[in-house]
Amino acid sequence: LAKTTQPISMDSYEGQEVNITCSHNNIATNDYITWYQQFPSQGPRFIIQGYKTKVTNEVASLFIPADRKSSTLSLPRVSLSDTAVYYCLVGDMDSSYKLIFGSGTRLLVRP
Amino acid sequence: NAGVTQTPKFQVLKTGQSMTLQCAQDMNHNSMYWYRQDPGMGLRLIYYSASEGTTDKGEVPNGYNVSRLNKREFSLRLESAAPSQTSVYFCAIRTHLQAQETQYFGPGTRLLVL
Repeated sequence: LAKTTQPISMDSYEGQEVNITCSHNNIATNDYITWYQQFPSQGPRFIIQGYKTKVTNEVASLFIPADRKSSTLSLPRVSLSDTAVYYCLVGDMDSSYKLIFGSGTRLLVRP
Repeated sequence: NAGVTQTPKFQVLKTGQSMTLQCAQDMNHNSMYWYRQDPGMGLRLIYYSASEGTTDKGEVPNGYNVSRLNKREFSLRLESAAPSQTSVYFCAIRTHLQAQETQYFGPGTRLLVL
């Protein structure tokens, strides 16, 4: 399972765009990239998933370059409620679909 | 966290005591997982079950046993609890969300071992 590297923490202000980059140099051909969000005292919550290029949903965008060795989660116009830990994971969709969590990035959004 | 329930929500044990954490899903999915999360850390996979009747070790299986007796339930047992097992335990299922493959997590069980 590919290991990921993310910044430990980031600070931002309300209304700004936040970009969190994740490095996954050993990503395998069949691996997908998935981002989760976790609030204190809750389980992680799925944000977005992609394989290559760009994926966008109602809460975020995911940018994946052609070599797929990194990915960037983009949160547009963050609010205080976006303060959370964000995890980047890679894994393939085989029968087990094991996911390995790193330490994540702690995002603090200030007023 | 509708669809995945965990019991109990909170438990205090003394060193050496045993207990079973319960997880149940009503979403009819095959794969289920147990994770632990220590303060300030990411989640670590303890055991998983790809389908009913099968279980496999994850990253940190020592000190735990699991049981997948039916498709709906996946339990985690601590035979002799140790203070190092103080943690928050999350159960998850593999599911499809927004047309994508992902894991859906329960609310967690907070375990304190004295």
